[in-house]
Amino acid sequence: QQPVQSPQAVILREGEDAVINCSSSKALYSVHWYRQKHGEAPVFLMILLKGGEQKGHEKISASFNEKKQQSSLYLTASQLSYSGTYFCGTLTQGGSEKLVFGKGTKLTVNP
Amino acid sequence: SAVISQKPSRDICQRGTSLTIQCQVDSQVTMMFWYRQQPGQSLTLIATANQGSEATYESGFVIDKFPISRPNLTFSTLTVSNMSPEDSSIYLCSVVRGNANTEAFFGQGTRLTVV
Repeated sequence: QQPVQSPQAVILREGEDAVINCSSSKALYSVHWYRQKHGEAPVFLMILLKGGEQKGHEKISASFNEKKQQSSLYLTASQLSYSGTYFCGTLTQGGSEKLVFGKGTKLTVNP
Repeated sequence: SAVISQKPSRDICQRGTSLTIQCQVDSQVTMMFWYRQQPGQSLTLIATANQGSEATYESGFVIDKFPISRPNLTFSTLTVSNMSPEDSSIYLCSVVRGNANTEAFFGQGTRLTVV
């Protein structure tokens, strides 16, 4: 079951904040976040395991609400380099060991 | 980290022909995956290729169309057979070193155009 990401696209000015959401209809074991720039391979950002943890990576952090089967990615004080498409990938409880990716959120940061 | 060499990076092929994509990893990995990504779209898993066992295909993908080999822990190939324009896409291999809850690394992708 593909996770649902929102919004589909975000346009920011440098220094602004953004939140990207990822939700699933199935119980999740973990949520993975990746960023892909145009013409490049996806790059790993972070993994959140069940337990409601929150992680950070530079000015990018994420939370995982296991009960709501949701994860959110927070980008604070955005930089031009943050532009790209962000994908969440989910592993479901009791499922096989394969990531199912959402449709992606295209983030554009303008000067 | 893992360094993945994926070849070819791009190709233009005639319909009805086949293309084999190679994925070489700089170290042994347990799990390898093949994805398809239409331009501007998400990554769709084609199959999981674990060494020593048959590849496991996702719904909508069959072995006759996308045969996969995994002869050892550092190498895999995906063949796109009897191609049609609908097969035009980016194909990516991905590897995971540990279990599924560890970082996945992606090859640079193969941009395939079928004419």
